[in-house]
Amino acid sequence: GQQVMQIPQYQHVQEGEDFTTYCNSSTTLSNIQWYKQRPGGHPVFLIQLVKSGEVKKQKRLTFQFGEAKKNSSLHITATQTTDVGTYFCYSGGSNYKLTFGKGTLLTVNP
Amino acid sequence: NAGVTQTPKFQVLKTGQSMTLQCAQDMNHEYMSWYRQDPGMGLRLIHYSVGAGITDQGEVPNGYNVSRSTTEDFPLRLLSAAPSQTSVYFCASSDRGVSGYTFGSGTRLTVV
Repeated sequence: GQQVMQIPQYQHVQEGEDFTTYCNSSTTLSNIQWYKQRPGGHPVFLIQLVKSGEVKKQKRLTFQFGEAKKNSSLHITATQTTDVGTYFCYSGGSNYKLTFGKGTLLTVNP
Repeated sequence: NAGVTQTPKFQVLKTGQSMTLQCAQDMNHEYMSWYRQDPGMGLRLIHYSVGAGITDQGEVPNGYNVSRSTTEDFPLRLLSAAPSQTSVYFCASSDRGVSGYTFGSGTRLTVV
């Protein structure tokens, strides 16, 4: 089953507001990956975090991996309508049976 | 470089019919998997393969078969379609977890 829990399940924001989604695990993770799925589209790989305390940025997106490697977050600064979609976190490592969770559905009001 | 190619993109089946969803990748990835996505349920793993000749069950394998005769291809067979199998199916591949998964564009299946 699922190793990480993602919250919130839904988030609606006004364009320009910030957005954060969190992934939490009760066990130490070897890595964490983030994906984005646009409505009607397929999941697209965004980034992988491996190191404790790692922070990576992609334009307005900031990804963090916790010091204990048990949680991660994706923060979007000043959301735009193009950010609409479902954001998934995934941590499998060598355990290929782990699956993706339900993700966080982000909607943006223009 | 095409990535992961899924065919068909859309399919309507009658209950009891069988069909094969095709998935091919040209990245020489060892790992391939099939997911189904239903509203509010996220992505659920059906079957996966860590290399040619090796397959294993995921979270929701009942009603589906897979085989992996080559590195490139990983077809998903529906043995006797049921309305509960109405879903969007995604195939994905990766280089054994070193980097992220590459997903196909999906097959939207309706069983009536």
